[in-house]
Amino acid sequence: DADVTQTPRNRITKTGKRIMLECSQTKGHDRMYWYRQDPGLGLRLIYYSFDVKDINKGEISDGYSVSRQAQAKFSLSLESAIPNQTALYFCATRGAGYTDTQYFGPGTRLTVL
Amino acid sequence: GENVEQHPSTLSVQEGDSAVIKCTYSDSASNYFPWYKQELGKRPQLIIDIRSNVGEKKDQRIAVTLNKTAKHFSLHITETQPEDSAVYFCAATYGNNRLAFGKGNQVVVIP
Repeated sequence: DADVTQTPRNRITKTGKRIMLECSQTKGHDRMYWYRQDPGLGLRLIYYSFDVKDINKGEISDGYSVSRQAQAKFSLSLESAIPNQTALYFCATRGAGYTDTQYFGPGTRLTVL
Repeated sequence: GENVEQHPSTLSVQEGDSAVIKCTYSDSASNYFPWYKQELGKRPQLIIDIRSNVGEKKDQRIAVTLNKTAKHFSLHITETQPEDSAVYFCAATYGNNRLAFGKGNQVVVIP
């Protein structure tokens, strides 16, 4: 689904480094989300945004921050990466209707050494 | 927040048999229940969904049933094929129309 893109797709970094993951969408949705996926733990919500001026913490926001630069762009930052932030990160977007489909980006595999 | 639980965590089935995955949810206000399939190395993608005013929905070999009284819904896959091997996530809407996801079920279809 090329409508939701993420960069980079893979990243290896060291403990203490600042990392930014970027997400762009061309679906025209106001709602965007960042999830983290770890084996056996499903999709855990980090942050979400319902429009450019609205940012909300999810269930596991500690150690992360986000920026909603425009309707189409939502970035996730790790200010000082640590090894237990090694995971697969997904961006997603969804319309406001209650039956609207949520579309996921291709994912970013992040490894923190 | 909303709690969505999936059972079993891993399901192995012989090719051609049926697979059933059950999810339970806690928020009685939930009104939309999608199922996502994630193939190895890929993103989750919607495969079927159901609204709260419907009890069952079918799409070829997959179906979803909803029991609002018991607060559970299930994914049924008939005549399973190797390409059905994947992780399946159920979800339910909760506050502000967000989706809460279950932890996922690994389905393995044995040829």
